[in-house]
Amino acid sequence: EDQVTQSPEALRLQEGESSSLNCSYTVSGLRGLFWYRQDPGKGPEFLFTLYSAGEEKEKERLKATLTKKESFLHITAPKPEDSATYLCAVQVFGNEKLTFGTGTRLTIIP
Amino acid sequence: EAQVTQNPRYLITVTGKKLTVTCSQNMNHEYMSWYRQDPGLGLRQIYYSMNVEVTDKGDVPEGYKVSRKEKRNFPLILESPSPNQTSLYFCASSSGTTNNEQFFGPGTRLTVL
Repeated sequence: EDQVTQSPEALRLQEGESSSLNCSYTVSGLRGLFWYRQDPGKGPEFLFTLYSAGEEKEKERLKATLTKKESFLHITAPKPEDSATYLCAVQVFGNEKLTFGTGTRLTIIP
Repeated sequence: EAQVTQNPRYLITVTGKKLTVTCSQNMNHEYMSWYRQDPGLGLRQIYYSMNVEVTDKGDVPEGYKVSRKEKRNFPLILESPSPNQTSLYFCASSSGTTNNEQFFGPGTRLTVL
């Protein structure tokens, strides 16, 4: 069974304090790993897709990386508006289903 | 504006009373899906559709039905709702027939008494 585990569950950072969120996965045949951001009361918003180990994607203060067992979402010099829940999800070959982790709730304190 | 819309946004109902949550997208996307989100369990896929008249089960399809008669619409039907279907529901769509970048709707909060 495909499994996705995110850690930590919650993270509080001071504004400007860089850190990383982890998404570890156990799947057979990774087709893609996805990162989403979810603000309270809203639907998730797409951030990145990673397809192969060693791949990196960047967007503003966010950078996502992928290895054969896990993905990291690095947040550099975060601002309060980066506060949200960050979700990762995986898709395997031969299956259109997405399996999500339970998310990391990130709070950036001004 | 490109968007996924869901109606209603909030619904309180009673056990056994059939209901439908509508989902519509204006991006001409082939792929659409329904999720439920519960505390501690994350987002779980209920059903998905890769194109008109093509639907398939996700992880938690029991108690739900879907149909895809038109490309833009993907309604979620609860024939006989039960309290364990109380949840936050999201519809999503993406281009192509795979789970690429998905656009999510605003969510429907359903309470079944």
